[in-house]
Amino acid sequence: RKEVEQDPGPFNVPEGATVAFNCTYSNSASQSFFWYRQDCRKEPKLLMSVYSSGNEDGRFTAQLNRASQYISLLIRDSKLSDSATYLCVVNMASGSARQLTFGSGTQLTVLP
Amino acid sequence: ETGVTQSPTHLIKTRGQQVTLRCSSQSGHNTVSWYQQALGQGPQFIFQYYREEENGRGNFPPRFSGLQFPNYSSELNVNALELDDSALYLCASSLPGGSSYEQYFGPGTRLTVT
Repeated sequence: RKEVEQDPGPFNVPEGATVAFNCTYSNSASQSFFWYRQDCRKEPKLLMSVYSSGNEDGRFTAQLNRASQYISLLIRDSKLSDSATYLCVVNMASGSARQLTFGSGTQLTVLP
Repeated sequence: ETGVTQSPTHLIKTRGQQVTLRCSSQSGHNTVSWYQQALGQGPQFIFQYYREEENGRGNFPPRFSGLQFPNYSSELNVNALELDDSALYLCASSLPGGSSYEQYFGPGTRLTVT
């Protein structure tokens, strides 16, 4: 079983749609959680951290359920510029290091 | 503030050769992590350097090695290249500790092994 699992998609949605991505992680000792966005042939960029109380940043809402080891990302009012791969990321301690463990990513295409 | 930079941007090598990739961390960041991203996959953790010492390692063989220099820049060395080493190699810098522990990625080096 992969440490971080995501639905690979692709998700093809019209502009203005609401889309939700889900992610599960296997290590209950995971300490912090993120969503990264990666455009084609570019580096991953931090979209938002995910907190237990849930957090929102404009059109983006992230949720964390530690009991279920489940993370979600909701994008409202999708824009063409939201087209990208969304990576669910978990931070686990590995000895004294803090390593990020990535899911395989969910590909989103927003259509005009 | 200077972001993370990597060189070269692209590289083509032959199986069995050796390669060195370079990374300059973001200003003020003293921890550097290296990741390998194969096509269609998420990045996989190779190792991390802090204060010039390896601070953690993922599931990669010893032919993947690295260095960190006093100015916090870093190198990734791969010996005896294999075809499966073809990937995007990403460097990320961060500050150690902290509860959120955000990492910032460079643009990557795309390595092709033929």
